[in-house]
Amino acid sequence: DTEVTQTPKHLVMGMTNKKSLKCEQHMGHRAMYWYKQKAKKPPELMFVYSYEKLSINESVPSRFSPECPNSSLLNLHLHALQPEDSALYLCASSQGSGGLGDTQYFGPGTRLTVL
Amino acid sequence: DAKTTQPPSMDCAEGRAANLPCNHSTISGNEYVYWYRQIHSQGPQYIIHGLKNNETNEMASLIITEDRKSSTLILPHATLRDTAVYYCIVRLYMIYNQGGKLIFGQGTELSVKP
Repeated sequence: DTEVTQTPKHLVMGMTNKKSLKCEQHMGHRAMYWYKQKAKKPPELMFVYSYEKLSINESVPSRFSPECPNSSLLNLHLHALQPEDSALYLCASSQGSGGLGDTQYFGPGTRLTVL
Repeated sequence: DAKTTQPPSMDCAEGRAANLPCNHSTISGNEYVYWYRQIHSQGPQYIIHGLKNNETNEMASLIITEDRKSSTLILPHATLRDTAVYYCIVRLYMIYNQGGKLIFGQGTELSVKP
């Protein structure tokens, strides 16, 4: 089973709202990732958590706040977003070893629209 | 910056082999070549990966040149369901237990036609 689940599938929020995206995997993976994908562009890495610690932050604005409560869950807290933050947000997970077998498996994504 | 170069689009007739090329001339010795595909508005789907040997699985074959500067993904019998954007990715070497960093290029939009 290589399933990564994400909720919600779609989210519409105003610029003053606070919302959260959720990602879950039950593959025993120890690394989890957030990517952002704008329309007709490739995914871009935002954050990497490894063994529940933030290991990579790709200079993402502080209005995006990741959280990894345990090895199976990854959240992305959103606050004071801008319309240009509208995108498909993708979660992925991998074993976390960094070696040859460390394949990332992606969830279906959350389509976010900021009004 | 992306470390791979792919043609922006390709067509393939249904039932024929689809050969998708990728250049990665600056690849380092410990970096892997990964292929993913993304069907419209879905999450990327893992296809195959390799380091220097050719690889085959139930979905595709990966041919990596001896100098590792380019590779080809082969879908042996393309179907309409294989229509998607195909990404060739060089996965950066990471410190052990730091996860892996994928840098996506622009990808190739493959259209399989009846």
